[in-house]
Amino acid sequence: GQNIDQPTEMTATEGAIVQINCTYQTSGFNGLFWYQQHAGEAPTFLSYNVLDGLEEKGRFSSFLSRSKGYSYLLLKELQMKDSASYLCAVSDSNYQLIWGAGTKLIIKP
Amino acid sequence: GAVVSQHPSWVICKSGTSVKIECRSLDFQATTMFWYRQFPKQSLMLMATSNEGSKATYEQGVEKDKFLINHASLTLSTLTVTSAHPEDSSFYICSVIGIQREVEQYFGPGTRLTVT
Repeated sequence: GQNIDQPTEMTATEGAIVQINCTYQTSGFNGLFWYQQHAGEAPTFLSYNVLDGLEEKGRFSSFLSRSKGYSYLLLKELQMKDSASYLCAVSDSNYQLIWGAGTKLIIKP
Repeated sequence: GAVVSQHPSWVICKSGTSVKIECRSLDFQATTMFWYRQFPKQSLMLMATSNEGSKATYEQGVEKDKFLINHASLTLSTLTVTSAHPEDSSFYICSVIGIQREVEQYFGPGTRLTVT
């Protein structure tokens, strides 16, 4: 079957760094996405990885290892507004997104 | 600017009535649109895949006679919740992918449905 695993909840301190992990098992792979979702809002795109390695975009970076079925989202210099759910999703062979349950990130001052 | 719009953004209806939600692709022609449902504190759940000019493909457990999907053009898909019940109260989100089969999905802002 298809499966995406990520931690349910994480807590970090303002100004610190946090890494959110995601492991996956899917039928086919056309890339892995990270989305941010604030409560009551639609997801917003953060990153897309289709090749192994690290993609850096400002305070956010995303890493992918296809052989290990593993990705992580790294958030630096955390701000209170980063408190949100972070969703890992894999595009399968039919370009359909398989979603993880999301990681709720709580930022404390 | 927004790539996908949804209308209405929120709606309250009485049990037993029907509600139509529109999803419009603003920037490009969308051959495929996806409809998701999200209950509080849960992740997105794919309900159906809507292909222009053909019948939608529903996920297991989603009643196709209750959730009617019409993808009549390359820029518009509609989801009609028929005979709504309080348990249908949820956040409904559509997303689109481009005619070039771009991998990234663009999400609409969502529609919050409350059935009383």
